[in-house]
Amino acid sequence: QSALTQPASVSGSPGQSITISCTGTSSDVGGYNYVSWYQQHPGKAPKLMIYDVSSRPSGVSNRFSGSKSGNTASLTISGLQAEDEADYYCSSYTSSSTSVVFGGGTKLTVL
Amino acid sequence: QITLRESGPTLVKPTQTLTLTCTFSGFSLSTSGVGVGWIRQPPGKALEWLALIYWDNDRRYSPSLKSRLTITKDTSKNQVVLTMTNMDPVDTATYYCAHSPRINWGLDYWGQGTLVTVSS
Repeated sequence: QSALTQPASVSGSPGQSITISCTGTSSDVGGYNYVSWYQQHPGKAPKLMIYDVSSRPSGVSNRFSGSKSGNTASLTISGLQAEDEADYYCSSYTSSSTSVVFGGGTKLTVL
Repeated sequence: QITLRESGPTLVKPTQTLTLTCTFSGFSLSTSGVGVGWIRQPPGKALEWLALIYWDNDRRYSPSLKSRLTITKDTSKNQVVLTMTNMDPVDTATYYCAHSPRINWGLDYWGQGTLVTVSS
């Protein structure tokens, strides 16, 4: 199974909004609402930010939102803050192997 | 409060078998809908999903590594064990375990990870 496709990097200034895309196929992103997003700071374990495409776990800022259109899911971060600078990964259930596949990760730089 | 902790060797030789243990608290793997998964991350690279086991012993594996992986659980000890055979230097990575609710295939609580180096 192939990894989901994410841009290698995105950047934005404090206060701006950015969107990270995650493209898969009809066997994963497009076929199921089991897309999750993770934030990972250097040297730290990943943290779940979004699940079920657009749901936020308790304690996650509402500046983080998720959506999906066709085979592409998106993570939007509004009101960028310096602390948002991190790597972001998407994941999805995939019916091709009845397991989970991750994206290649996106490095977010806050300018 | 859910916590997970990975343990195992920090160094293994090529061709050896790696055995990692995930010890958790705050939930039970005998509870319906609960799962524990393993994920790895080579230095400077992306996350890779490896395997997952559910409360009912349903097991899922990465298709690319399925022949080398075995995941088991010991409910009484609150542990999940991952074994990976025929280790190679490309398997050098930080290995994480995580709590995974069956309902959404997400990974909502993670261990701190353990770095495993494969070298002779």
